[in-house]
Parts: sequence; C-alpha cells; structure tokens
Amino acid sequence: SQTIHQWPATLVQPVGSPLSLECTVEGTSNPNLYWYRQAAGRGLQLLFYSVGIGQISSEVPQNLSASRPQDRQFILSSKKLLLSDSGFYLCAWNLGTGYGYTFGSGTRLTVV
Amino acid sequence: DAKTTQPNSMESNEEEPVHLPCNHSTISGTDYIHWYRQLPSQGPEYVIHGLTSNVNNRMASLAIAEDRKSSTLILHRATLRDAAVYYCILSGGGADGLTFGKGTHLIIQP
Repeated sequence: SQTIHQWPATLVQPVGSPLSLECTVEGTSNPNLYWYRQAAGRGLQLLFYSVGIGQISSEVPQNLSASRPQDRQFILSSKKLLLSDSGFYLCAWNLGTGYGYTFGSGTRLTVV
Repeated sequence: DAKTTQPNSMESNEEEPVHLPCNHSTISGTDYIHWYRQLPSQGPEYVIHGLTSNVNNRMASLAIAEDRKSSTLILHRATLRDAAVYYCILSGGGADGLTFGKGTHLIIQP
C-alpha cells in the first residue's frame, strides 16, 4: 500500500537559521509531489509542486525552495528562516488527473 | 481552477445523515469534484471524488447534479469523529495541485 512520510512532526527554529523538511512516498512510482503551508487560522496554500525528478514549479514567491533529488523524495528548504515562515507544512502526492490526493501528517514549524 | 461555494458552517446530530452542499457553476467538462476533510492539527484527508456519475465509498457518497453545477457530499450516519472542515475542490487537467477555499466547518452534536 502507498504511504507518505513527513518529518519532523514539530520544529522550533530561531530566525535566520536554515530549514530542511523531508517528505517521502512509498508504494508508488512517478508521483506528483506537493508542498503546502497553512498559517495559523488560515487556509492551505500551495507552495511548490513537482512532476518529476529535478522538476520544481513554484506557486508563490517566498523565502523557501524545494528540491526533488529522487522520484519519491521531496525536500523543502530555506537558507534563513523568517518569523513569517511559521506554519503547518504539508506534503502531498497524487498520480495525476482523475486521482485523489494523499497528504502527510504535517510538520508544525515555529520560528522564534 | 474553477471556484466553489460552500456554507461556512453546518451542524448535525450524531447518527443522523449529513448533506454538505457545494456549488460550482463555472465547472468545466474536465474538472473533477474532490472532497477532503481536515481535523484540527492534522493534514487533509481524502474523502471522495468524481467526474459525472454519483460515487460511493466506505466513507461517504457524492451526488453530482445532472448539469454538474453543484454536488452534495453525504455522510450516511454522522459520528463525533466526522466533525471537521470539509473542502469541496475542483481539479482539472494538469499537475498543479488543489486550490483550497475556506470549506464548511461541520459540527456534530451528541
């Protein structure tokens, strides 16, 4: 069966520190991969998506970047965190049009 | 993605059916209708999706209007664990993800 893993579950980082969040998918091949963010009391915002290794599309300009070094691995990074980067980060995957999306359990990031 | 309109909140009683409406008057022929729900501090959970015909699965049923301009998510027998924010989302061709609105906050009374 297909599973999606995200870690860590919670993270507290100081302003200006780097960030690396990892997401991996098991049990499928060539998934489309997505990073979302949900700020406190706000809706889910799509940050990045990827249709293949090394292929990244950004939805909004920001202090973050994404990479897909392997087919089932998606990484969200920042060189220097801002207070406004705090939020609930979610990874998701699907197999394309007509398929449902599966979300990970999320990482709650607090920048202090 | 075409836009959807959902009530901000709905309330129902435990063990009764719940009908969550969604309007999507600008839906295109290739748009799938997706439903997800999100509990506090959790990621969204897939509920059901469909294109033209009504769909049933172990969680819920999706009733799609003949003109596809509206749909209804049906929870046949609500439990307290069904209390969540329910999102109705249209997703057409392409890999550019789901666009989430504010959804419907479903409250289940014991």
